[in-house]
This record gives sequence, C-alpha cells and structure tokens, in this order.
Amino acid sequence: EVQMVASGGGLVQPGGSLRLSCAASGFTFNNHNMNWVRQTPGMGPEWVSYIRNTGEVMYYADSVKGRFTISRDNARDSLFLQMNSLRAEDTAIYYCARGFQNAFDMWGQGTMVTVSS
Amino acid sequence: EIVLTQSPGTLSLSPGERASFSCRASQTVSSSNLAWYQQKPGQTPRLLIYGAYNRATDIPDRFSGSGSGADFTLTISRLEPEDFAVYYCQHYGSARWTFGQGTKVEVK
Repeated sequence: EVQMVASGGGLVQPGGSLRLSCAASGFTFNNHNMNWVRQTPGMGPEWVSYIRNTGEVMYYADSVKGRFTISRDNARDSLFLQMNSLRAEDTAIYYCARGFQNAFDMWGQGTMVTVSS
Repeated sequence: EIVLTQSPGTLSLSPGERASFSCRASQTVSSSNLAWYQQKPGQTPRLLIYGAYNRATDIPDRFSGSGSGADFTLTISRLEPEDFAVYYCQHYGSARWTFGQGTKVEVK
C-alpha cells in the first residue's frame, strides 16, 4: 500500500523557520518526481514545490521562491521542505504529493503549519 | 501564468442525476496537462482524470473528462451518494502547477 506520512508542522512566529518531512513507503520512491502542495481550509490547493526523481531539478511557486527549499533522500525514501522567513500567508496544511503525468496521483495526509505571533 | 476558472461555484443535484461542470483556462492549454480531482471534507484530493480524458486508477467509468483548447468539462453520468464533494481542475505548464477554485456538488 502506498503511504506518505508528512510531519514537522506546528506553530511558528512570523520570520521563523520549519522543516517538513515526508516518509514514503509502498512504492519505488526514486522512480517518482515529488511535490509539496498546500491548502488553506475552505480554499483550493496551491502547488508549492517540485523535485525530480533524481533530485537534480527543483521548481518553486513564485510565492515561496527564495524562502523555501525542497530536497529528498532517496536512500531513506524521504522528501523534505525547508521553510524560512515564514509569513502569515504560509499558514496551511502541507501535503507531499507524488507526481504522475503532470498531475498528482497520491497525496500524504498533510501536516499543519500555522504562522502567527 | 495560466488562471483556471471553474463554474458553477455550487451545483445542487439529486442522486442519479447527471452532473457537468466547467474549467476554463485564461489561454489555450495542452489537453495532456489538464487534470481533475475530487475532495471530500477532511480528506486529501483524489486524482480522477489526467490528460483531460484519462481516468486514473480505480476511478469508476461514470466519471469522464472532455474538452480542448481553453474549455474543459468533467461529467458524472449518474451521481452516487459518495460523489457529493468538491471538484478541482489543475493545469501544468512552464514548471508551474495551478488549480481552479473548485465546484461544490451538493445534495439538492
């Protein structure tokens, strides 16, 4: 069974940092491109970042470019998102999502990030 | 940046009825880069359709996607009780993924 378990969310002050992790199992992790997608309750999803299966190519949404860094460890089937200079508008549930045909075919259960003083 | 506009915002229907809703892109897009998702309260989005027309794994054949250019449609031929949810379209292009704002299908 495919599983992706995200962790590392929490309450942080504006300007602070968090590092999210996503542990994958049930599929060959290094065969798949991976993404972070976030969603504010009651709103549509917002794509945040992409990393190719090899880890050599990364893309970012304009809203997070220069503040967030995506990475992966294929030896440990893990995906990461380092989030710096956090803002109130970064408050959301963050999902790791597996890439498939320019869409997202599997989603982890999400971790909540709240940026507030 | 491509903007996706979904309509209507809410669709009120009864089980057994046909549901059809729209996703309009701000410019012509490739059909291969258009997808649809279903999301129920408290759950993660579920991929229904990719490449505009292709059903994802284990998706029932009452779900179908159509369209081309800038106008795409998701159709549910006969609504089952479990189909009442929010539906999102999504586009990929130029190293960006964007979502529409969603259509809610509610029980009439």
